[in-house]
Amino acid sequence: QKEVEQNSGPLSVPEGAIASLNCTYSDRGSQSFFWYRQYSGKSPELIMSIYSNGDKEDGRFTAQLNKASQYVSLLIRDSQPSDSATYLCAVGMNTGFQKLVFGTGTRLLVSP
Amino acid sequence: DVKVTQSSRYLVKRTGEKVFLECVQDMDHENMFWYRQDPGLGLRLIYFSYDVKMKEKGDIPEGYSVSREKKERFSLILESASTNQTSMYLCASSANQPQHFGDGTRLSIL
Repeated sequence: QKEVEQNSGPLSVPEGAIASLNCTYSDRGSQSFFWYRQYSGKSPELIMSIYSNGDKEDGRFTAQLNKASQYVSLLIRDSQPSDSATYLCAVGMNTGFQKLVFGTGTRLLVSP
Repeated sequence: DVKVTQSSRYLVKRTGEKVFLECVQDMDHENMFWYRQDPGLGLRLIYFSYDVKMKEKGDIPEGYSVSREKKERFSLILESASTNQTSMYLCASSANQPQHFGDGTRLSIL
């Protein structure tokens, strides 16, 4: 079982719709969770951090965390073509070092 | 804003060469990381460092070494480059979490 799992996609949504990206993780002791956006040929860019159960909103982005189910998600409201990218889920493992384990990413395509 | 600078965006080297990839951060971060990213495999940790002169192996350290003589600089060394080391290399730094990435170096070994 992979430590952090994401559906590779592509996830296709029309412009203006809500995109829902999901991630599961294996280490129950994980305390920190991040979403990165990566455009083709570019490096990952941090867009959301979440540390406690529930929802965290930042503009059009909402991160949701459920530690009991070992599940974290990212919702993008009013999706725009410029949101088309690969979204990486990253989890801080309970190792004592500041390491992150990354999922392989979900590719999102937003069509005009 | 955090600034992580990688010395080259694109690099072409030959098999057997010793290759140096440099990374500099300007935020006085304790932790620095080197990853490689390949299609379908995601980001894989090569080495990381949590202090000057300290280093820890990541998941795929074979064929690589690192150097951290100053806090702001973390170097990745390919001792004898091979074609299977052709990849995108990403450097990141952090205080605690999260990590902030440089622009990446696309390295081709011919």
